[in-house]
Amino acid sequence: DQQVKQNSPSLSVQEGRISILNCDYTNSMFDYFLWYKKYPAEGPTFLISISSIKDKNEDGRFTVFLNKSAKHLSLHIVPSQPGDSAVYFCAVNAGGTSYGKLTFGQGTILTVHP
Amino acid sequence: EPEVTQTPSHQVTQMGQEVILRCVPISNHLYFYWYRQILGQKVEFLVSFYNNEISEKSEIFDDQFSVERPDGSNFTLKIRSTKLEDSAMYFCASVKAGGRGGQYFGPGTRLTVL
Repeated sequence: DQQVKQNSPSLSVQEGRISILNCDYTNSMFDYFLWYKKYPAEGPTFLISISSIKDKNEDGRFTVFLNKSAKHLSLHIVPSQPGDSAVYFCAVNAGGTSYGKLTFGQGTILTVHP
Repeated sequence: EPEVTQTPSHQVTQMGQEVILRCVPISNHLYFYWYRQILGQKVEFLVSFYNNEISEKSEIFDDQFSVERPDGSNFTLKIRSTKLEDSAMYFCASVKAGGRGGQYFGPGTRLTVL
């Protein structure tokens, strides 16, 4: 299932700098997009979402950008903190809401160095 | 802040045995889900449940799987005759009415089939 791809298995950034995590999808039917953070031995934690009617959504240090023509979304974390070190998953849905089946990417391991 | 809870945190069983994984979704949420993550693989959708019936299921969710909401708070996943390949982390999730924001995940149950 390659409908959702996170091409970078890992990312390393310095504390205080920007972290940019990327995600590509193939199906134009997807219209609701989410980012999750996951620590080892815990469930995914919802961070932020965006509907296809927007191209940007901000929540504190987290901003999600959506480029529908490129079928690409990204998560920006500014400033990055050591506590942000975790696995980040993008997830997509069709139907305009978070109801229904989420399809996940394979995740990117973010390491933020002090 | 309300959380999804899951029990047990770890379940070890012999191949062919039945297991029941339990979840307590967030109390005012209306949609419920099960996902699983096999070690090293993506988080995969299993089933969604609304208004006391299955609304969608994946090809993984065959006759060996069933879900139930036996009372107003619990949501269970039963695997009738476990196989080695059922070994995975199983996550329960729930969504509030309106479908905005994300699906909120529990901490997971690690199922080990020997």
